[in-house]
Amino acid sequence: RKEVEQDPGPFNVPEGATVAFNCTYSNSASQSFFWYRQDCRKEPKLLMSVYSSGNEDGRFTAQLNRASQYISLLIRDSKLSDSATYLCVVNMRLGGRGGADGLTFGKGTHLIIQP
Amino acid sequence: DGGITQSPKYLFRKEGQNVTLSCEQNLNHDAMYWYRQDPGQGLRLIYYSQIVNDFQKGDIAEGYSVSREKKESFPLTVTSAQKNPTAFYLCASSPNGHSGANVLTFGAGSRLTVL
Repeated sequence: RKEVEQDPGPFNVPEGATVAFNCTYSNSASQSFFWYRQDCRKEPKLLMSVYSSGNEDGRFTAQLNRASQYISLLIRDSKLSDSATYLCVVNMRLGGRGGADGLTFGKGTHLIIQP
Repeated sequence: DGGITQSPKYLFRKEGQNVTLSCEQNLNHDAMYWYRQDPGQGLRLIYYSQIVNDFQKGDIAEGYSVSREKKESFPLTVTSAQKNPTAFYLCASSPNGHSGANVLTFGAGSRLTVL
């Protein structure tokens, strides 16, 4: 049973380009969605939460499509420093209750920005 | 600065030995978590604690034990019963254990290798 699925990549993208990747989730009742960034051999760090109406933080835009059960991350004007693995995280508990123990992590999408 | 401190960063263990990984936070967070990350895999929850003196098994608790005697501390013991202990171990915390929208803050991780 695959609950949170991501394309592992790697996505090789030239600097300055726009890149987007998706994450699908299996539980239609999921309420909380996040993107985390993980650098090689480091801990994950929150990139952004994903809200129902979509949200933007600088060059990063996150979208939620409940009907098709996926979230997306768009990176504009990509920088070399954007190279990392991007983890999709979904609260799979019914109604989003129960705390962070209900979070399910995707395996991550590896992004390489090339000069 | 507030944060989560894990130690040791690297640890080597012989088969049959127990080892304890330390996790300390000064964020005043109620909930703490232990995850395991294997290459090409998503994070998997080992144990979590939503309040002092209480903890719950996660998805892969077999071969591990924890304690939560203080709010700041949540040590993980990897016992000899754990069949494949070599992995990257991540400790995390969140402000409140009962909200599905909680964001996790991670420590820098402990990399355990069994020789």
